[in-house]
Amino acid sequence: QSVLTQPPSVSAAPGQRVTISCSGSSSNIGVNYVAWYQQFPGTGPKLLIYDNNSRPSGVPDRFSGSKSGTSATLVITGLQTGDEADYYCGTWDKSLSTEVVFGGGTRLTVL
Amino acid sequence: QVQLQESGPGLVKFSETLSLTCIVSGGSTNTVYWTWIRQSPGRGLEWIGYVSYNGNTDYDPSLKSRVLISRDTSENHFSLDLYSVTAADTAVYYCARGRRYCSAGSCRHYFDFWGPGTLVTVSS
Repeated sequence: QSVLTQPPSVSAAPGQRVTISCSGSSSNIGVNYVAWYQQFPGTGPKLLIYDNNSRPSGVPDRFSGSKSGTSATLVITGLQTGDEADYYCGTWDKSLSTEVVFGGGTRLTVL
Repeated sequence: QVQLQESGPGLVKFSETLSLTCIVSGGSTNTVYWTWIRQSPGRGLEWIGYVSYNGNTDYDPSLKSRVLISRDTSENHFSLDLYSVTAADTAVYYCARGRRYCSAGSCRHYFDFWGPGTLVTVSS
Protein backbone atom coordinates (compact mmCIF):
# COMPACT_ATOMS: atom_id res chain seq x y z
CA GLN A 1 0.00 0.00 0.00
CA SER A 2 1.02 3.61 -0.61
CA VAL A 3 2.57 5.88 2.00
CA LEU A 4 0.03 8.62 1.23
CA THR A 5 -3.68 7.78 1.46
CA GLN A 6 -6.19 8.89 -1.15
CA PRO A 7 -9.80 7.83 -1.68
CA PRO A 8 -9.96 5.28 -4.52
CA SER A 9 -12.69 7.18 -6.32
CA VAL A 10 -14.77 10.33 -6.31
CA SER A 11 -17.55 11.47 -8.60
CA ALA A 12 -19.52 14.58 -9.35
CA ALA A 13 -21.65 16.10 -12.08
CA PRO A 14 -20.42 18.56 -14.69
CA GLY A 15 -20.16 22.09 -13.35
CA GLN A 16 -19.85 20.96 -9.76
CA ARG A 17 -16.93 21.15 -7.34
CA VAL A 18 -15.00 18.10 -6.21
CA THR A 19 -12.29 17.62 -3.61
CA ILE A 20 -9.66 14.88 -3.44
CA SER A 21 -7.85 14.33 -0.19
CA CYS A 22 -4.31 13.10 0.44
CA SER A 23 -3.42 12.04 3.96
CA GLY A 24 0.12 11.64 5.18
CA SER A 25 2.16 12.10 8.32
CA SER A 26 4.46 14.49 10.13
CA SER A 27 7.46 13.17 8.22
CA ASN A 28 6.06 13.85 4.75
CA ILE A 29 3.12 16.19 4.16
CA GLY A 30 3.50 17.66 7.64
CA VAL A 31 6.84 19.27 6.78
CA ASN A 32 7.19 19.19 3.00
CA TYR A 33 5.50 20.47 -0.11
CA VAL A 34 2.87 18.49 -1.99
CA ALA A 35 2.43 18.03 -5.72
CA TRP A 36 -0.58 16.74 -7.64
CA TYR A 37 -0.61 14.90 -10.94
CA GLN A 38 -3.35 14.14 -13.47
CA GLN A 39 -3.18 10.98 -15.54
CA PHE A 40 -5.39 9.90 -18.44
CA PRO A 41 -5.47 6.21 -19.44
CA GLY A 42 -2.46 5.20 -21.48
CA THR A 43 -0.52 8.43 -20.91
CA GLY A 44 2.12 9.68 -18.54
CA PRO A 45 1.11 11.79 -15.54
CA LYS A 46 0.95 15.57 -15.91
CA LEU A 47 1.96 17.99 -13.18
CA LEU A 48 -1.12 19.86 -11.98
CA ILE A 49 -0.04 21.49 -8.72
CA TYR A 50 3.35 21.92 -7.05
CA ASP A 51 4.47 23.54 -3.81
CA ASN A 52 1.04 22.79 -2.31
CA ASN A 53 -0.85 25.40 -4.32
CA SER A 54 1.12 26.59 -7.35
CA ARG A 55 -0.02 25.85 -10.89
CA PRO A 56 2.37 25.33 -13.79
CA SER A 57 1.79 27.47 -16.82
CA GLY A 58 -1.21 26.24 -18.79
CA VAL A 59 -3.08 24.59 -15.93
CA PRO A 60 -6.52 26.21 -15.56
CA ASP A 61 -7.32 28.01 -12.32
CA ARG A 62 -10.23 25.60 -11.86
CA PHE A 63 -7.58 23.40 -10.26
CA SER A 64 -6.28 24.44 -6.85
CA GLY A 65 -4.41 22.84 -4.00
CA SER A 66 -4.10 23.39 -0.29
CA LYS A 67 -2.38 21.83 2.69
CA SER A 68 -3.25 21.72 6.35
CA GLY A 69 -1.23 19.78 8.88
CA THR A 70 -0.57 16.32 7.54
CA SER A 71 -3.19 16.41 4.79
CA ALA A 72 -3.48 18.02 1.39
CA THR A 73 -6.47 18.65 -0.83
CA LEU A 74 -6.96 19.07 -4.55
CA VAL A 75 -10.05 21.06 -5.51
CA ILE A 76 -11.53 21.09 -8.99
CA THR A 77 -14.30 23.59 -9.69
CA GLY A 78 -16.53 23.89 -12.74
CA LEU A 79 -16.06 20.19 -13.42
CA GLN A 80 -15.82 19.15 -17.07
CA THR A 81 -16.11 15.73 -18.69
CA GLY A 82 -12.51 16.14 -19.82
CA ASP A 83 -11.40 16.16 -16.18
CA GLU A 84 -12.24 12.48 -15.86
CA ALA A 85 -8.86 10.95 -14.99
CA ASP A 86 -6.73 9.56 -12.19
CA TYR A 87 -5.20 12.01 -9.73
CA TYR A 88 -2.11 11.37 -7.60
CA CYS A 89 -0.47 13.29 -4.80
CA GLY A 90 3.24 13.12 -4.09
CA THR A 91 5.76 14.55 -1.68
CA TRP A 92 9.14 14.09 0.02
CA ASP A 93 9.39 11.89 3.10
CA LYS A 94 12.15 12.57 5.60
CA SER A 95 11.73 9.40 7.60
CA LEU A 96 12.15 6.96 4.77
CA SER A 97 15.31 6.27 2.85
CA THR A 98 13.34 6.77 -0.34
CA GLU A 99 12.83 10.43 -1.08
CA VAL A 100 9.64 10.43 -3.08
CA VAL A 101 6.32 8.98 -1.98
CA PHE A 102 3.01 8.94 -3.82
CA GLY A 103 -0.62 8.34 -3.01
CA GLY A 104 -2.45 5.36 -4.46
CA GLY A 105 -4.43 7.56 -6.81
CA THR A 106 -8.05 8.67 -7.06
CA ARG A 107 -10.26 7.97 -10.06
CA LEU A 108 -12.47 10.96 -10.82
CA THR A 109 -15.70 10.15 -12.61
CA VAL A 110 -17.73 12.97 -14.09
CA LEU A 111 -21.32 11.79 -14.05
CA GLN B 1 8.60 22.83 -24.50
CA VAL B 2 10.29 19.88 -22.83
CA GLN B 3 9.63 16.47 -24.30
CA LEU B 4 10.74 13.08 -23.04
CA GLN B 5 10.43 9.75 -24.80
CA GLU B 6 11.24 6.32 -23.42
CA SER B 7 12.59 3.55 -25.61
CA GLY B 8 13.66 -0.02 -25.06
CA PRO B 9 12.51 -3.63 -25.29
CA GLY B 10 9.00 -4.41 -24.12
CA LEU B 11 9.90 -7.93 -23.06
CA VAL B 12 12.75 -8.97 -20.79
CA LYS B 13 13.50 -12.47 -19.59
CA PHE B 14 13.58 -13.43 -15.94
CA SER B 15 16.98 -12.74 -14.28
CA GLU B 16 18.22 -10.62 -17.19
CA THR B 17 18.75 -6.86 -17.41
CA LEU B 18 16.07 -4.30 -18.21
CA SER B 19 17.58 -1.38 -20.14
CA LEU B 20 15.69 1.75 -21.12
CA THR B 21 16.69 5.08 -22.61
CA CYS B 22 14.98 8.44 -22.32
CA ILE B 23 15.52 11.00 -25.08
CA VAL B 24 15.14 14.58 -23.87
CA SER B 25 14.46 17.59 -26.03
CA GLY B 26 13.96 21.22 -25.11
CA GLY B 27 14.03 23.02 -21.81
CA SER B 28 16.62 23.81 -19.19
CA THR B 29 19.03 21.26 -17.85
CA ASN B 30 20.07 23.38 -14.89
CA THR B 31 19.28 22.03 -11.43
CA VAL B 32 17.13 19.24 -12.77
CA TYR B 33 16.96 15.59 -11.79
CA TRP B 34 16.48 13.08 -14.58
CA THR B 35 14.26 10.48 -13.04
CA TRP B 36 12.77 7.05 -13.62
CA ILE B 37 9.41 6.13 -12.12
CA ARG B 38 7.40 2.99 -12.68
CA GLN B 39 3.74 2.10 -12.29
CA SER B 40 2.07 -1.24 -11.85
CA PRO B 41 -1.45 -2.16 -10.76
CA GLY B 42 -0.28 -3.70 -7.54
CA ARG B 43 2.31 -1.12 -6.52
CA GLY B 44 1.04 2.21 -7.90
CA LEU B 45 3.60 4.89 -8.74
CA GLU B 46 7.07 3.95 -7.54
CA TRP B 47 10.09 6.24 -7.66
CA ILE B 48 13.17 4.38 -8.91
CA GLY B 49 15.81 7.09 -8.76
CA TYR B 50 17.57 9.91 -10.56
CA VAL B 51 20.77 11.20 -12.07
CA SER B 52 21.17 14.89 -11.39
CA TYR B 53 22.33 17.81 -13.50
CA ASN B 54 25.78 17.48 -11.88
CA GLY B 55 26.00 13.70 -12.18
CA ASN B 56 24.91 12.66 -8.71
CA THR B 57 22.62 9.67 -8.37
CA ASP B 58 20.15 8.44 -5.79
CA TYR B 59 17.97 5.36 -5.80
CA ASP B 60 15.09 3.83 -3.93
CA PRO B 61 16.68 1.61 -1.26
CA SER B 62 14.63 -1.41 -2.26
CA LEU B 63 16.14 -1.28 -5.77
CA LYS B 64 19.55 0.24 -5.02
CA SER B 65 21.49 -3.01 -5.23
CA ARG B 66 20.43 -3.71 -8.79
CA VAL B 67 19.80 -0.35 -10.49
CA LEU B 68 21.96 2.09 -12.41
CA ILE B 69 20.84 5.42 -13.85
CA SER B 70 23.30 7.22 -16.08
CA ARG B 71 23.30 10.19 -18.45
CA ASP B 72 24.90 11.23 -21.70
CA THR B 73 24.83 15.00 -21.81
CA SER B 74 26.21 15.21 -25.33
CA GLU B 75 23.45 13.00 -26.67
CA ASN B 76 20.68 14.47 -24.50
CA HIS B 77 19.57 11.19 -23.08
CA PHE B 78 19.67 9.25 -19.86
CA SER B 79 19.29 5.57 -19.17
CA LEU B 80 18.04 2.99 -16.73
CA ASP B 81 19.56 -0.43 -16.14
CA LEU B 82 17.74 -2.78 -13.79
CA TYR B 83 19.53 -6.05 -13.19
CA SER B 84 18.27 -9.51 -12.28
CA VAL B 85 14.64 -8.74 -13.02
CA THR B 86 11.69 -10.76 -11.75
CA ALA B 87 7.97 -10.70 -12.45
CA ALA B 88 7.64 -7.98 -9.82
CA ASP B 89 9.52 -5.62 -12.15
CA THR B 90 6.77 -5.82 -14.78
CA ALA B 91 5.42 -2.28 -15.03
CA VAL B 92 5.02 0.81 -17.15
CA TYR B 93 8.27 2.75 -16.88
CA TYR B 94 8.27 6.54 -17.12
CA CYS B 95 11.13 8.98 -17.44
CA ALA B 96 10.56 12.42 -15.97
CA ARG B 97 12.28 15.68 -15.23
CA GLY B 98 12.47 16.29 -11.50
CA ARG B 99 12.71 19.51 -9.52
CA ARG B 100 14.12 19.12 -6.05
CA TYR B 101 15.27 21.55 -3.40
CA CYS B 102 14.82 22.45 0.23
CA SER B 103 14.44 25.77 1.98
CA ALA B 104 13.74 26.70 5.59
CA GLY B 105 13.44 23.09 6.61
CA SER B 106 10.84 22.12 4.00
CA CYS B 107 11.56 20.20 0.84
CA ARG B 108 9.91 19.72 -2.50
CA HIS B 109 10.52 17.02 -5.08
CA TYR B 110 8.15 17.01 -8.02
CA PHE B 111 8.15 16.09 -11.69
CA ASP B 112 7.23 18.75 -14.19
CA PHE B 113 7.53 16.78 -17.41
CA TRP B 114 6.96 13.09 -18.06
CA GLY B 115 7.34 10.75 -20.98
CA PRO B 116 4.35 8.74 -22.25
CA GLY B 117 5.67 5.58 -20.63
CA THR B 118 6.71 2.19 -21.93
CA LEU B 119 5.40 -1.16 -20.77
CA VAL B 120 8.04 -3.69 -19.83
CA THR B 121 6.99 -7.26 -19.17
CA VAL B 122 9.28 -9.77 -17.50
CA SER B 123 8.77 -13.23 -18.89
CA SER B 124 9.80 -16.55 -17.51
